[in-house]
Amino acid sequence: DTGVSQDPRHKITKRGQNVTFRCDPISEHNRLYWYRQTLGQGPEFLTYFQNEAQLEKSRLLSDRFSAERPKGSFSTLEIQRTEQGDSAMYLCASSSPGDMNTEAFFGQGTRLTVV
Amino acid sequence: EDQVTQSPEALRLQEGESSSLNCSYTVSGLRGLFWYRQDPGKGPEFLFTLYSAGEEKEKERLKATLTKKESFLHITAPKPEDSATYLCAVQAWDYKLSFGAGTTVTVRA
Repeated sequence: DTGVSQDPRHKITKRGQNVTFRCDPISEHNRLYWYRQTLGQGPEFLTYFQNEAQLEKSRLLSDRFSAERPKGSFSTLEIQRTEQGDSAMYLCASSSPGDMNTEAFFGQGTRLTVV
Repeated sequence: EDQVTQSPEALRLQEGESSSLNCSYTVSGLRGLFWYRQDPGKGPEFLFTLYSAGEEKEKERLKATLTKKESFLHITAPKPEDSATYLCAVQAWDYKLSFGAGTTVTVRA
């Protein structure tokens, strides 16, 4: 399967714990996006990468969130000292290089529940 | 800041009853406008890309159109399997994607 892959699909954690999610983009896609989605809302932008460079991080994102994309391949999103308000679906998407066909393809998401 | 507003929030249709969803946007420089379908508990599924005003794209019972300020997703003779949340997103020149809150469509048999 050559789609975007996210791991794990579900994560339950206690408040205060750290969690890390992984995203494997479609092969040769150089742009990678992270979004957060809560029930009844559209995906909220968190950050995005072009190759290994993190180009923008949402101003709404606290310092507890950090993302990396070493070597421009897979990416990880870490949340430190989780809070109940972090409970959401975390979505990853990737898109191909170039100026055309720049649509983003999404993975199935990681559902985080903080208890 | 780029903004995307979708209306209505929810739409209940009888099977075969055609309707339209609206997506109005403001963006610093539009690279493309995308429509996605999302089923509960799943990631968004790509439907269409529109690049310039006047452009139209079709796929089965769905047709997307674009003007300089808004896009419409027309659903013709919908079936129950068209029930989903439809998301609109704009991509700015820096490739950043901004989404609307979505329109949840329910089609009754």
